[in-house]
Amino acid sequence: EDKVVQSPLSLVVHEGDTVTLNCSYEVTNFRSLLWYKQEKKAPTFLFMLTSSGIEKKSGRLSSILDKKELFSILNITATQTGDSAIYLCAVLIQGAQKLVFGQGTRLTINP
Amino acid sequence: DTAVSQTPKYLVTQMGNDKSIKCEQNLGHDTMYWYKQDSKKFLKIMFSYNNKELIINETVPNRFSPKSPDKAHLNLHINSLELGDSAVYFCASSQEWGLAGAETQYFGPGTRLLVL
Repeated sequence: EDKVVQSPLSLVVHEGDTVTLNCSYEVTNFRSLLWYKQEKKAPTFLFMLTSSGIEKKSGRLSSILDKKELFSILNITATQTGDSAIYLCAVLIQGAQKLVFGQGTRLTINP
Repeated sequence: DTAVSQTPKYLVTQMGNDKSIKCEQNLGHDTMYWYKQDSKKFLKIMFSYNNKELIINETVPNRFSPKSPDKAHLNLHINSLELGDSAVYFCASSQEWGLAGAETQYFGPGTRLLVL
């Protein structure tokens, strides 16, 4: 069965800290890995990673994929209270053409 | 303007009732999806429609029946509601079916269903 596991499940840090969120996967036919940010409502897209070792960056957020070790990390530097959210990782399965999600990491940034 | 909208936002109902959740997208997309997010925050796909045709039907009880009257709408009807149906249901849409579509989905705001 296709599986995506995120860690930690919950993380509380102070504003200004740097955090690293982890996503590991075991799937039958990997196509790409996606990161989403979910605040109170709908998940919003952050990154899509298809190739190993190529870092994607957007402001203070960055992410990288390791297809050999089957994981990805999402880094957030100089965290702000607005970064508080659930961060979801999902893997797109080729063939089945569907997204399999992890359970998310709940990140809380305290002022 | 809301790209993907769902109604209602909240739904509280008794076990055994039948209820519907509506989803509409104004993006002109061809593909729409329903996801269920349980209390542990796992988001799982339930159904996918492309041009009003059912494409993905995961292992979902047949009490759940999606209906797509046109490409812009995908409604979810649930019969004989059970306690375990309590969750947040997200609708999503994408321009294309298949791998490209799955990678670029827009999610609705969710409908929080509570079955008592």
